[in-house]
Amino acid sequence: DGGITQSPKYLFRKEGQNVTLSCEQNLNHDAMYWYRQDPGQGLRLIYYSQIVNDFQKGDIAEGYSVSREKKESFPLTVTSAQKNPTAFYLCASSISDGTDTQYFGPGTRLTVL
Amino acid sequence: AQSVTQLGSHVSVSEGALVLLRCNYSSSVPPYLFWYVQYPNQGLQLLLKYTSAATLVKGINGFEAEFKKSETSFHLTKPSAHMSDAAEYFCAVSKKAGGTSYGKLTFGQGTILTVHP
Repeated sequence: DGGITQSPKYLFRKEGQNVTLSCEQNLNHDAMYWYRQDPGQGLRLIYYSQIVNDFQKGDIAEGYSVSREKKESFPLTVTSAQKNPTAFYLCASSISDGTDTQYFGPGTRLTVL
Repeated sequence: AQSVTQLGSHVSVSEGALVLLRCNYSSSVPPYLFWYVQYPNQGLQLLLKYTSAATLVKGINGFEAEFKKSETSFHLTKPSAHMSDAAEYFCAVSKKAGGTSYGKLTFGQGTILTVHP
């Protein structure tokens, strides 16, 4: 089955710790994205990557970092510099078919204690 | 800059009634438009998309949406609501329309649909 997987589903961390969220896709999609979702605020773009070894900041990149060493993987690190990291994080990918339709993973809920 | 406005953060309907979720967009070029559905603690699932072909777009689960350029709208409808339709719905517009860069989606704030028995 092709799809996007995110792990873990739930993640708890102490304040001041860095944490890395995993996102893997076997759809052979070129582009991958990370979004943050907070109640009543829709989805906000954190980072996106069009090709391996290249990525760009989205609208709320401060306090986050990413890497794209493989086409299938786009991990997100939430650093201690992120002021309010508790949120639901969604990874997505898209193929360059002219419409760039994005497909989403199941999400990771991060809670910082 | 592109933007999306979803009118009504909460919509409540009775089972069997018409579902109408409103979405208006602003865009300097003809957009690509999307509707996604999200069930609690899950990712977003694509319902349907408009990519400049037919203006009436049919999606999964009996939903459809009509692109109206004159009204800059892309409202989502379903003739008869089912209990399983209760979820949050997001309208989104692509920042690319035939350009050379990958598209980035701008999302509306979401509309929570409640279906009463």
